[in-house]
Amino acid sequence: EAQVTQNPRYLITVTGKKLTVTCSQNMNHEYMSWYRQDPGLGLRQIYYSMNVEVTDKGDVPEGYKVSRKEKRNFPLILESPSPNQTSLYFCASSSPLSGTDTQYFGPGTRLTVL
Amino acid sequence: GNSVTQMEGPVTLSEEAFLTINCTYTATGYPSLFWYVQYPGEGLQLLLKATKADDKGSNKGFEATYRKETTSFHLEKGSVQVSDSAVYFCALNGYSGGGADGLTFGKGTHLIIQP
Repeated sequence: EAQVTQNPRYLITVTGKKLTVTCSQNMNHEYMSWYRQDPGLGLRQIYYSMNVEVTDKGDVPEGYKVSRKEKRNFPLILESPSPNQTSLYFCASSSPLSGTDTQYFGPGTRLTVL
Repeated sequence: GNSVTQMEGPVTLSEEAFLTINCTYTATGYPSLFWYVQYPGEGLQLLLKATKADDKGSNKGFEATYRKETTSFHLEKGSVQVSDSAVYFCALNGYSGGGADGLTFGKGTHLIIQP
């Protein structure tokens, strides 16, 4: 089954404790992206990657890092989480090179930073 | 830059009522337009899309037409069901000539359908 998976689905942590949220897709998509969803703000893009070893900032990249060492994986790293990063996070993928601009979303990761 | 504006709601309707959720956009180039739906506790699912002016996207009884002259992509359904209760997001993509600005979303419209 074609899908985007994220882990963990729920995470409660404390300020300053480094964490990683994993994202993996099995559709051989070259494009991957991270969004955060906050009430009243909708979804905002954090980082995206056009292909392996190519990443770029989205609208709200501060406090986040990403890497794209393999085509299927695109982890989101919070080096020193703060309470304002409490949010619902979504990973997405697509394949513009194949003419598919539809982005497929993972199930989301709900993060709480105390 | 790109932007999407949609009514935020909540929008409360009775079952079998007619639904319209307005969406207007600002973009450079010729973006594709999307409606995504988020059911409670779930991720986003593509509902429908349109890739060029005058295209009509449709799925599950929902329709939206890409209107370049009014920069709009309003979502409609003739007879809503309780199971349509969800949050609906209008979005456009920023791809242009190989660039990848990702999706720009509206803030979402919470739809509540009462029996």
